[in-house]
Amino acid sequence: QKEVEQNSGPLSVPEGAIASLNCTYSDRGSQSFFWYRQYSGKSPELIMFIYSNGDKEDGRFTAQLNKASQYVSLLIRDSQPSDSATYLCAVNEGSNYQLIWGAGTKLIIKP
Amino acid sequence: DADVTQTPRNRITKTGKRIMLECSQTKGHDRMYWYRQDPGLGLRLIYYSFDVKDINKGEISDGYSVSRQAQAKFSLSLESAIPNQTALYFCATSDFVRGSYEQYFGPGTRLTVT
Repeated sequence: QKEVEQNSGPLSVPEGAIASLNCTYSDRGSQSFFWYRQYSGKSPELIMFIYSNGDKEDGRFTAQLNKASQYVSLLIRDSQPSDSATYLCAVNEGSNYQLIWGAGTKLIIKP
Repeated sequence: DADVTQTPRNRITKTGKRIMLECSQTKGHDRMYWYRQDPGLGLRLIYYSFDVKDINKGEISDGYSVSRQAQAKFSLSLESAIPNQTALYFCATSDFVRGSYEQYFGPGTRLTVT
């Protein structure tokens, strides 16, 4: 069974520090990888996607992909209290591009 | 106006009642999805539809049914609600952009079955 694993947390990070969120996946055929942010009681919203090995930067966010080791990570620089949320990792299922979801990591940024 | 809307936003119902959750989108996407979310379990796929004539079961379809009335509308029904169907339900749409299918979510429906 294809799986996406995330540490449930909570991960507590001081304001201004770098938050590092990790995700591993089982399907070697996966091609696209997504990070969503979800505030409590709200719907998930797309932050970033990545499909090539290496780093992809967007503002304070950097996604990192290592297909050989089957992990993807999200770094948040200069963490702000507003970054406190649950971060969901999603991986496409190669045959029809369905997304397989991790259970999410709860991030808390302490002022 | 929101691209993906869900009605109702909150619903409390009793065991055994039939209930319908509705989803509409103005994004023009062909693919639509219904998920449920329970604390600590992440998103679980109930049903998905690639177009009006193509509807597929997800990992937890038992106790649910769907109808794709048009490209823009996808409804989820609970024929006889039970308490363990209490959850947050999300509708999502997707389209092939930038090399993959990104999903966009509605605001969710909080359903409580007593």
